[in-house]
Amino acid sequence: GENVEQHPSTLSVQEGDSAVIKCTYSDSASNYFPWYKQELGKRPQLIIDIRSNVGEKKDQRIAVTLNKTAKHFSLHITETQPEDSAVYFCAASKGSNYQLIWGAGTKLIIKP
Amino acid sequence: GAVVSQHPSWVICKSGTSVKIECRSLDFQATTMFWYRQFPKQSLMLMATSNEGSKATYEQGVEKDKFLINHASLTLSTLTVTSAHPEDSSFYICSARPTGDEQYFGPGTRLTVT
Repeated sequence: GENVEQHPSTLSVQEGDSAVIKCTYSDSASNYFPWYKQELGKRPQLIIDIRSNVGEKKDQRIAVTLNKTAKHFSLHITETQPEDSAVYFCAASKGSNYQLIWGAGTKLIIKP
Repeated sequence: GAVVSQHPSWVICKSGTSVKIECRSLDFQATTMFWYRQFPKQSLMLMATSNEGSKATYEQGVEKDKFLINHASLTLSTLTVTSAHPEDSSFYICSARPTGDEQYFGPGTRLTVT
């Protein structure tokens, strides 16, 4: 079955710098790749997603890139701010059942 | 739009009792609802997939007789943890899918079994 690996598990960056989180997936049939932000004790919130017919998508300070050939996708956060501190999860799914296969998560720490 | 509620937000129960958690899509009809559990500092683990009017599909290792799921309408799914034990203590989260790929998550239910 599908497997999603996420790295790094913890990422500490200086406020204002960029952060990059990377995920790889195993099932070439996966076609939807969302990123979620989860604060402690709260629900996961969708921050950006990308579909397999697109290579890159950007929304203000957040961007996602997808390399279908290599089966990896990455989250880029620029000009990081303290409120970006949270756990970020990548996921992958395919249209047959819409089940999300989750990465293990990355704890992002923004140092003031 | 796309708001999902979950009730209760937290519950404490005694070992051996049952607990029901409700998941509602407030402003859309959910084709599919999903139930997850999440242990501290871990990722979400899919427990089951539920379609309105159909029996839920459980993931491997999840006991369907222990975690009863009822998806009675397009806006409501319930998860009942039967004969709860301390090891069932966890954060339970539902999500709802209107159409297409996106899922919207409920705020979660913190279950503590004493």
